[in-house]
Amino acid sequence: EAGVAQSPRYKIIEKRQSVAFWCNPISGHATLYWYQQILGQGPKLLIQFQNNGVVDDSQLPKDRFSAERLKGVDSTLKIQPAKLEDSAVYLCASSLSRGHEQYFGPGTRLTVT
Amino acid sequence: AQKVTQAQTEISVVEKEDVTLDCVYETRDTTYYLFWYKQPPSGELVFLIRRNSFDEQNEISGRYSWNFQKSTSSFNFTITASQVVDSAVYFCALSESSTSGTYKYIFGTGTRLKVLA
Repeated sequence: EAGVAQSPRYKIIEKRQSVAFWCNPISGHATLYWYQQILGQGPKLLIQFQNNGVVDDSQLPKDRFSAERLKGVDSTLKIQPAKLEDSAVYLCASSLSRGHEQYFGPGTRLTVT
Repeated sequence: AQKVTQAQTEISVVEKEDVTLDCVYETRDTTYYLFWYKQPPSGELVFLIRRNSFDEQNEISGRYSWNFQKSTSSFNFTITASQVVDSAVYFCALSESSTSGTYKYIFGTGTRLKVLA
């Protein structure tokens, strides 16, 4: 069974530029999550989808971050405009349903200069 | 509010020693889930175990064991006869249902385990 796929793996941009990350969850997983992991910290949940609907985006900085999950499968996370403090690893995860264990992708390491 | 505390920032042990990683959580819910994940140097988080709040039985999987005690709000993880490949950052996580029916997830700050040969 294929795992969670993410791309790109690495991205370097200048502040005020925009960037987008892509995630393909495990087939059949209804719940998809985006996390931000700053170096030395635990993952912080940004947004949670159940199928193609948002169920929790309370920690998403909505003035610059946006995310969508079209057709309840793939998802994209966008940052526009990026700030220096957005430098982090962005992790995508999926689970069968809410409350179940999550399976993580390899992450995208973003560096904002 | 939910909270997960992993007070041990870093632990170093010599290979074959046993080591216990502590996790203390706070929640107001009676229904919740606890998890442990491993993050090796490669960076990808790996699921280790999930426990629901109604199941306090300890679990053993090979060299790994988990001790869940609701009385002390703890969910500790023990590695027996540690190996160099166990070197990683280990995260404890809590998931509880919210009033909107979603599940809130929160991770601890992690414990870096170094196993020396």
